[in-house]
Amino acid sequence: GAVVSQHPSWVICKSGTSVKIECRSLDFQATTMFWYRQFPKQSLMLMATSNEGSKATYEQGVEKDKFLINHASLTLSTLTVTSAHPEDSSFYICSARDLSGGTPDTQYFGPGTRLTVL
Amino acid sequence: GDSVTQMEGPVTLSEEAFLTINCTYTATGYPSLFWYVQYPGEGLQLLLKATKADDKGSNKGFEATYRKETTSFHLEKGSVQVSDSAVYFCALGTGNNRKLIWGLGTSLAVNP
Repeated sequence: GAVVSQHPSWVICKSGTSVKIECRSLDFQATTMFWYRQFPKQSLMLMATSNEGSKATYEQGVEKDKFLINHASLTLSTLTVTSAHPEDSSFYICSARDLSGGTPDTQYFGPGTRLTVL
Repeated sequence: GDSVTQMEGPVTLSEEAFLTINCTYTATGYPSLFWYVQYPGEGLQLLLKATKADDKGSNKGFEATYRKETTSFHLEKGSVQVSDSAVYFCALGTGNNRKLIWGLGTSLAVNP
């Protein structure tokens, strides 16, 4: 089946630094990837939709200058948390749509990245 | 706007018990409905889905039927196993499934 990887799986950084998280579709091409943030009480919040070769579409209330998204190839999207602060500590999850298969409406999820900002 | 309401957990059952996790939704148009599962330490996995009214999704002994009249998509399993312990998420797909709207998740613990 379709596999999505994320790197790193966890990261600890100092306040004020930037952190990059990678999301890769390993065995399919993904023109669209999604970035989510999972809160402690388990709800997922869609942050943005990443489109290959174009600008990301951010959800209302998500700062595009703080959460930079780049989707430079059909298998890679990156999320950079710029000038991270403790309130950015969270679990970040990416997903990708595989349009080539029989279930184009299904999203495949990466294992997530735990970010802790000190 | 579109939304998903999922029963709160945690749910604790004994092995071989019957499981129901309720999910209701509010949506315009004709959304697709999904159940995703997150096992401990792993990423979200699609468990089952239904794309139109009266469709029944099924996988690994789990079932859910898309009920338009009650706007529900309840997850059921006749006999749970310890290995079913996980967090279950109900989700609604809108806008040609460009976006998923999520429930809060229900944690299930199955004891031997």
